[in-house]
Amino acid sequence: LAKTTQPISMDSYEGQEVNITCSHNNIATNDYITWYQQFPSQGPRFIIQGYKTKVTNEVASLFIPADRKSSTLSLPRVSLSDTAVYYCLVGDNYGGSQGNLIFGKGTKLSVKP
Amino acid sequence: GAVVSQHPSRVICKSGTSVKIECRSLDFQATTMFWYRQFPKKSLMLMATSNEGSKATYEQGVEKDKFLINHASLTLSTLTVTSAHPEDSSFYICSAGREGETQYFGPGTRLLVL
Repeated sequence: LAKTTQPISMDSYEGQEVNITCSHNNIATNDYITWYQQFPSQGPRFIIQGYKTKVTNEVASLFIPADRKSSTLSLPRVSLSDTAVYYCLVGDNYGGSQGNLIFGKGTKLSVKP
Repeated sequence: GAVVSQHPSRVICKSGTSVKIECRSLDFQATTMFWYRQFPKKSLMLMATSNEGSKATYEQGVEKDKFLINHASLTLSTLTVTSAHPEDSSFYICSAGREGETQYFGPGTRLLVL
């Protein structure tokens, strides 16, 4: 079973900031939080990974509270091309817990003009 | 990020034939590769984990004699769907990673069995 829970879908408009929250109440000490983006008929694309506090890269930010039981992916100023399914995974990168290999249902983000 | 390729990108075959799908890590050596299957409008389902030079570990419910996995080198893993049937039609995706680092996914292979 997936270790994460996300909203099934979200709607937004171009130019808005989108925040997708993921719950992972049973996250283990060695687990990282990783977000992927998937377009139809394509493999998932790595967006961002974090362990605690805040991580930012050129496409997104990841906010992780102190208890690490949830995380929020923030996409600034979305465009139509950001319409995709977003997956949150938690697990250690050594594959031991395999949490990072088990996909939940993901969040389908629809960006409208 | 790291680049993972798959070949072919799509394949159509007749029922009863076998199909081989290749997964390559292009710019890094992958200690472990993973194979997933994804049905329309569904999430990815892990099929098996393969480590270079050893037998693959299959997830519960995945037939190891039907889905043959070979991980002959640190940059290549293959998935062979043997005696394919229409219900095997799906989107097959591989991923690769180095220990201690996140995994990167290939573009996927669309299999259609007639």
